[in-house]
Amino acid sequence: NAGVTQTPKFQVLKTGQSMTLQCAQDMNHNSMYWYRQDPGMGLRLIYYSASEGTTDKGEVPNGYNVSRLNKREFSLRLESAAPSQTSVYFCASSELTAARREQYFGPGTRLTVT
Amino acid sequence: QKEVEQDPGPLSVPEGAIVSLNCTYSNSAFQYFMWYRQYSRKGPELLMYTYSSGNKEDGRFTAQVDKSSKYISLFIRDSQPSDSATYLCAMSANTGNQFYFGTGTSLTVIP
Repeated sequence: NAGVTQTPKFQVLKTGQSMTLQCAQDMNHNSMYWYRQDPGMGLRLIYYSASEGTTDKGEVPNGYNVSRLNKREFSLRLESAAPSQTSVYFCASSELTAARREQYFGPGTRLTVT
Repeated sequence: QKEVEQDPGPLSVPEGAIVSLNCTYSNSAFQYFMWYRQYSRKGPELLMYTYSSGNKEDGRFTAQVDKSSKYISLFIRDSQPSDSATYLCAMSANTGNQFYFGTGTSLTVIP
């Protein structure tokens, strides 16, 4: 049981390049999330998917797109990377029920845009 | 006003001390409360989970929720150097799909 996995762990991009961050979970959760974490800013929600086939914007969606490929996988795409997107990106998943509502996080992707 | 407020610290304590970490919130709809521990260059790890009000204990860790004051706490007894990390509080309501996080408190336990 791996929980939430993310690839790659590290990435360096030049301004204008594109890339896709991959996330998968094996806990059979319906909901998946993408956050970015910057010093002093905490975790900020980029996009989330409440269930397979749906996606919604979070607090900071500009410059990003997402795809909920199936129940297990949720990818984040940067179409034209900018230095402001230098950050650590975390994927998370959750089963939202009346009884349980906690999130589980992946190990993160450390992205630098030069 | 942010939904969740958390003192960023840093907090530095000697080994064996009792540590108290706190968050306040403004949304009375929050029913689910979590504490995460995040080691440097790692992902947040779920430490404690509480539904609604009350206390929950797990080993050296105790989570408290006071909904009347909109205040949650995490207590660490007999703190160890391995407890040195950033602690994040998080909360969620019955409706909606989002979670709201504090910015984290950095804790160092000195041997």
